[in-house]
Amino acid sequence: DIVMTQTPSSQAVSAGEKVTMSCKSSQSLLYNENKKNYLAWYQQKPGQSPKLLIYWASTRESGVPDRFIGSGSGTDFTLTISSVQAEDLAVYYCQQYYNFPLTFGSGTKLEIK
Amino acid sequence: EVQLVESGGGLVQPGRSLKLSCAASGFTFSNYYMAWVRQAPTKGLEWVASITNSGGSTYYRDSVKGRFTISRDNAKSTLYLQMDSLRSEDTATYYCTRDDVYYGFAYWGQGTLVTVSS
Repeated sequence: DIVMTQTPSSQAVSAGEKVTMSCKSSQSLLYNENKKNYLAWYQQKPGQSPKLLIYWASTRESGVPDRFIGSGSGTDFTLTISSVQAEDLAVYYCQQYYNFPLTFGSGTKLEIK
Repeated sequence: EVQLVESGGGLVQPGRSLKLSCAASGFTFSNYYMAWVRQAPTKGLEWVASITNSGGSTYYRDSVKGRFTISRDNAKSTLYLQMDSLRSEDTATYYCTRDDVYYGFAYWGQGTLVTVSS
């Protein structure tokens, strides 16, 4: 199974600040045939269902604000929020869809100071 | 508008069975893989099972293999999860998701809570 490791488990930032969170996979998620990384990021706000933010490691889902930026390749990935807003209070999960069993990271909880 | 509406959750004793349903609308159901993802109280997300668009192939996490069965009725645009021999560790909110194979889980239902307790 591919193990997804997210750090930090939580962080607190002030509105307007930049925040980065890491996701590492135990094996490469880069599919050589199409050069795509099979890595997605989700946002789960309190009391809500998860929402897809980013797929292929760096492609923003339709309607997602451009302050959310995904980067990385292979086994190391990062989600950056360029200027955090109060409504970004949530837990962020990475997930690999390279192979079964599909696996998620344990999440990074973003708190707003 | 894509909608996924789960039903069938509730309180069940250990060892008993429960069947979840997910009614899909707003897209051509038979064109998409579907999946169930669960979340234990205060815990993270955990993929449970996926099914191909035709229903011809299914995939499960090890901990539910042999106990859970994912299925679909494309004529009714409905996804199912039959859960047998339930254990306390199966207690979770179960989400129905559209498994866009190349993009991740693009759409999620509101979830249905399953509590396994005596």
